Amino acid sequence: KAGVTQTPRYLIKTRGQQVTLSCSPISGHRSVSWYQQTPGQGLQFLFEYFSETQRNKGNFPGRFSGRQFSNSRSEMNVSTLELGDSALYLCASSLQGGSNEKLFFGSGTQLSVL
Amino acid sequence: AQKVTQAQTEISVVEKEDVTLDCVYETRDTTYYLFWYKQPPSGELVFLIRRNSFDEQNEISGRYSWNFQKSTSSFNFTITASQVVDSAVYFCALSGPAGGTSYGKLTFGQGTILTVHP
Repeated sequence: KAGVTQTPRYLIKTRGQQVTLSCSPISGHRSVSWYQQTPGQGLQFLFEYFSETQRNKGNFPGRFSGRQFSNSRSEMNVSTLELGDSALYLCASSLQGGSNEKLFFGSGTQLSVL
Repeated sequence: AQKVTQAQTEISVVEKEDVTLDCVYETRDTTYYLFWYKQPPSGELVFLIRRNSFDEQNEISGRYSWNFQKSTSSFNFTITASQVVDSAVYFCALSGPAGGTSYGKLTFGQGTILTVHP
């Protein structure tokens, strides 16, 4: 069974640009969540999607958005990039997204904003 | 609000030593879930163990064991007879009950870097 796949693996952008990251969950998993990891702030929850609906959102500005497609694949978008958006963005999937479920993580997309 | 504290930033041990990673959590929920994840250099977090707030039974799974104590809000994780392959960053995490604001989201601690030397 294939794991969670995130593309691209590395990304370099400049301030003011926008970026789209992609995540393909494990087959059969309907919940996809996104986390941002930085050396200063650690791992922070961005949002969680289930059946194309955002069910929970973290404390991030509106520049961060996401969506989920009918095949459970998800994308997140960051507009008007800032230097502080440089981070490892991790996607995770689970069957239903319940709080007691273990998450399966991808290897992440390393975003560098110059 | 939920909070997870891992006071140990880095731990260095020699192979075959036992090592305990500390985790203290804060939550107002009476039902919650605690996790340990491992992040090797490849980047992806790997699930290790999970505990429900209503089950304080401590268990052993292979070389892993955990000590969950609600009275002290601690969820410590022990690796017995450590190996070089255990070198990674270890994260303690907390999530909340259905219907709550923390449902389906993990609050992570800052992580503990474990280095196991041969």
